[in-house]
Amino acid sequence: DAKTTQPTSMDCAEGRAANLPCNHSTISGNEYVYWYRQIHSQGPQYIIHGLKNNETNEMASLIITEDRKSSTLILPHATLRDTAVYYCIVRVAVSYDKVIFGPGTSLSVIP
Amino acid sequence: KAGVTQTPRYLIKTRGQQVTLSCSPISGHRSVSWYQQTPGQGLQFLFEYFSETQRNKGNFPGRFSGRQFSNSRSEMNVSTLELGDSALYLCASSETDRGNEQFFGPGTRLTVL
Repeated sequence: DAKTTQPTSMDCAEGRAANLPCNHSTISGNEYVYWYRQIHSQGPQYIIHGLKNNETNEMASLIITEDRKSSTLILPHATLRDTAVYYCIVRVAVSYDKVIFGPGTSLSVIP
Repeated sequence: KAGVTQTPRYLIKTRGQQVTLSCSPISGHRSVSWYQQTPGQGLQFLFEYFSETQRNKGNFPGRFSGRQFSNSRSEMNVSTLELGDSALYLCASSETDRGNEQFFGPGTRLTVL
């Protein structure tokens, strides 16, 4: 079973920030939070990951609470091309740790 | 660098047949993982290979098997196909076995009739 819970769906106005929450209350000390997204009929795309500090890259920002039980992915200026299913995953940072995807959040960016 | 490539992109088979899917990881990547995606079950982990060794396996029957070659290319095989094997099969590669994100290919869409 997935170790994360996310809202089933969200809407966001184009040009506004999209804030996608994720709960991972049972996260272990050596587990990272990863975010991927999947645009219809394509393979999932890596977005960002972090352990306990906030992270930012060219795609998004990741805010992890101090107790690490939840996090928020922020897309600062959502565009129509950001419409996708967003997956929040917790896993140990080794490749052989199976990645367990939950149902994710379906984000619709509205013009 | 070229991304992860998977062949074929689309495949139609009938029940009872067997199928082999191929994955070429990003150059320099040594870890390859396979996933099955269906509308009902979502994305499910099949297995992971690193340096030609299978290091982890998901909860799939023995009909699902895989291997990795010395050049890190990987194949997965499904024997005695069932209707429920119809799915998008995704391959992902990562650079090493430590702390690296996975890069996914476009997938192979398998339809079993």
